[in-house]
Amino acid sequence: DVKVTQSSRYLVKRTGEKVFLECVQDMDHENMFWYRQDPGLGLRLIYFSYDVKMKEKGDIPEGYSVSREKKERFSLILESASTNQTSMYLCASSRIYGRETDTQYFGPGTRLTVL
Amino acid sequence: GQSLEQPSEVTAVEGAIVQINCTYQTSGFYGLSWYQQHDGGAPTFLSYNGLDGLEETGRFSSFLSRSDSYGYLLLQELQMKDSASYFCAVRPHSGAGSYQLTFGKGTKLSVIP
Repeated sequence: DVKVTQSSRYLVKRTGEKVFLECVQDMDHENMFWYRQDPGLGLRLIYFSYDVKMKEKGDIPEGYSVSREKKERFSLILESASTNQTSMYLCASSRIYGRETDTQYFGPGTRLTVL
Repeated sequence: GQSLEQPSEVTAVEGAIVQINCTYQTSGFYGLSWYQQHDGGAPTFLSYNGLDGLEETGRFSSFLSRSDSYGYLLLQELQMKDSASYFCAVRPHSGAGSYQLTFGKGTKLSVIP
């Protein structure tokens, strides 16, 4: 069974803290994605990566950075957390070829609260 | 750019049929996908239309018409467990965006007894 795991389900941090969100997939997928989900705004792409050490900005990259040192792991970093980054963060992965590229597998999400 | 429009909420009766529409404005894309997300859960892939026409998977069907810039998800024999949010998504053709999906804002389906 395919699996995407995220390091925490719930996280509470203070304004200004550096926050790391980790995502691991066991499907040998090339693509990995970070989204945030807010009520009424749907899923918005923050960053994605199509290979180790490669990254591309999504729609809302400001205030975030990412790291992909190994194929199975994709980290989202909030350099200095702010209250407007309180959200649900979802990681996903997919294949890079063919129609399977349209099938993304999501992790359970991390609900981050920044106080 | 890509823009997908879905109704924000739909209510239907258990056992009935419901259609969730997705209209889009996009310069070109590979296919239209649908995802389901229960409250508190992660989105899960439901169906994909690479070509125009109807795709059927059990009680769920999905349709795409590129000439009409329109697609829909059809849920038959509705069950209470179908209460969830449903997202349509497209994967655009060009550049680095060829790997990413653009999602609609989602339709919250409520199934009532």
